[in-house]
Amino acid sequence: GAVVSQHPSRVICKSGTSVKIECRSLDFQATTMFWYRQFPKQSLMLMATSNEGSKATYEQGVEKDKFLINHASLTLSTLTVTSAHPEDSSFYICSARDRLRGGNQPQHFGDGTRLSIL
Amino acid sequence: GENVEQHPSTLSVQEGDSAVIKCTYSDSASNYFPWYKQELGKGPQLIIDIRSNVGEKKDQRIAVTLNKTAKHFSLHITETQPEDSAVYFCAASLFSGSARQLTFGSGTQLTVLP
Repeated sequence: GAVVSQHPSRVICKSGTSVKIECRSLDFQATTMFWYRQFPKQSLMLMATSNEGSKATYEQGVEKDKFLINHASLTLSTLTVTSAHPEDSSFYICSARDRLRGGNQPQHFGDGTRLSIL
Repeated sequence: GENVEQHPSTLSVQEGDSAVIKCTYSDSASNYFPWYKQELGKGPQLIIDIRSNVGEKKDQRIAVTLNKTAKHFSLHITETQPEDSAVYFCAASLFSGSARQLTFGSGTQLTVLP
């Protein structure tokens, strides 16, 4: 089945550091990838929709300059948390949709990245 | 936009019993309803989905029902096993901008007691 690989799985770094998270679709091409944030014992909150070859679409309240998204190829999207602070600590999850399957194809999720800012 | 409500937030059942999780959605334009299982420290995994032209779908011990008129859908797990313990999320799909986005319910922590 479709596999989405997310890397790294865990990051611990100092305040002020920028952190890059990669999301790859391993066996399919994804024109659209989604980035979510999840707080403990809470649901997934959509942060942005990443479109290959164009600018990402951010949800209301998500800072574009804080969370930089690049979707340079059909199999890779990256999320960079710039100048991270403790309040950015969270579980970040990406998902991707297979572009060859039309209509309401399922989203496939990566295993998430646990980001801890000290 | 779409709003999805999910109940209950926690559910404990004895091994072998059935578990039912219910969701309601607000936007009648939504037409795709997946269910995801999330284990601790992992991303959500799709376990079953249903489209609006179908009222029920079954896959072994898992079934989903959809009532479009009432705008609610449910997940049914029969003969529960300890490995079914996880957080389950329902979602509704609505076309927004350039892509179909998922709106998630708040999740249900299912615990299957041995």
